[in-house]
Amino acid sequence: DGGITQSPKYLFRKEGQNVTLSCEQNLNHDAMYWYRQDPGQGLRLIYYSQIVNDFQKGDIAEGYSVSREKKESFPLTVTSAQKNPTAFYLCASSKFLLRTSGGRNEQFFGPGTRLTVL
Amino acid sequence: QKEVEQNSGPLSVPEGAIASLNCTYSDRGSQSFFWYRQYSGKSPELIMFIYSNGDKEDGRFTAQLNKASQYVSLLIRDSQPSDSATYLCAANQAGTALIFGKGTTLSVSS
Repeated sequence: DGGITQSPKYLFRKEGQNVTLSCEQNLNHDAMYWYRQDPGQGLRLIYYSQIVNDFQKGDIAEGYSVSREKKESFPLTVTSAQKNPTAFYLCASSKFLLRTSGGRNEQFFGPGTRLTVL
Repeated sequence: QKEVEQNSGPLSVPEGAIASLNCTYSDRGSQSFFWYRQYSGKSPELIMFIYSNGDKEDGRFTAQLNKASQYVSLLIRDSQPSDSATYLCAANQAGTALIFGKGTTLSVSS
C-alpha cells in the first residue's frame, strides 16, 4: 500500500524545546515538501527537497530545519527559535519538483501532525 | 505577489444540487491547477487536477479552466452531505511548490 506517513499524529512541545516531525513515503517520489496550516489560513511552504541531500527554504523557513538523507524520508525539526509553532504540519510529495514540470505531476499529502506548545 | 484567491464561504447547497466553487490566480505563468478536499482536522485529499483550457470530468466532479480569464472552477453535481468540507484550490505557478488559496467551505444540507 503506497502512501505518505507522518508521526506522531499529535505532539506537545514545551517552551525552548526542539521537536522532530517524521515524514516517510513509499511512492518513489523525488520531491518532498513541508507545509504549515493555521486555522482559517492557506498552506504555507516551509521547506522542500528535490533530491537526496538537497533542500531549499520555502516562504516561512525561519525556526525550522530539515534533512534528506534518504529518498523516502524528510524529517522536520521545529526549533526553539520558532516563536509560534502551534499549527497543523503537513508533509507532501510529488514525482518531480513542481517547478520543473507542467502538466500532470500531482502532489499528495500525508495525514499531518498537530503540534501544540504547552 | 503571486496569489490564489477563493471565496471563503460558507457555500450552502441542498442535497442533490450542483455546487460551484471558484478560484482566480494572479500569475499568467501558472501551468497546472489542483483541487483538494479537506475535512475538518484532516489533511487535504487531491480530487481533481487540470492543465488544459476547458473542462475535465471525473465522476460527479468537473474542473473548468480558463487561462485567458485566469479562472478555475470546480463543479460538484448531485451534492451529498459527505461533500461538506473545505475545498482548496492550488496553482503550480512555475515556482517551487503549489500556491494554495485559503479554501472555500461547502455545506450540503440533507
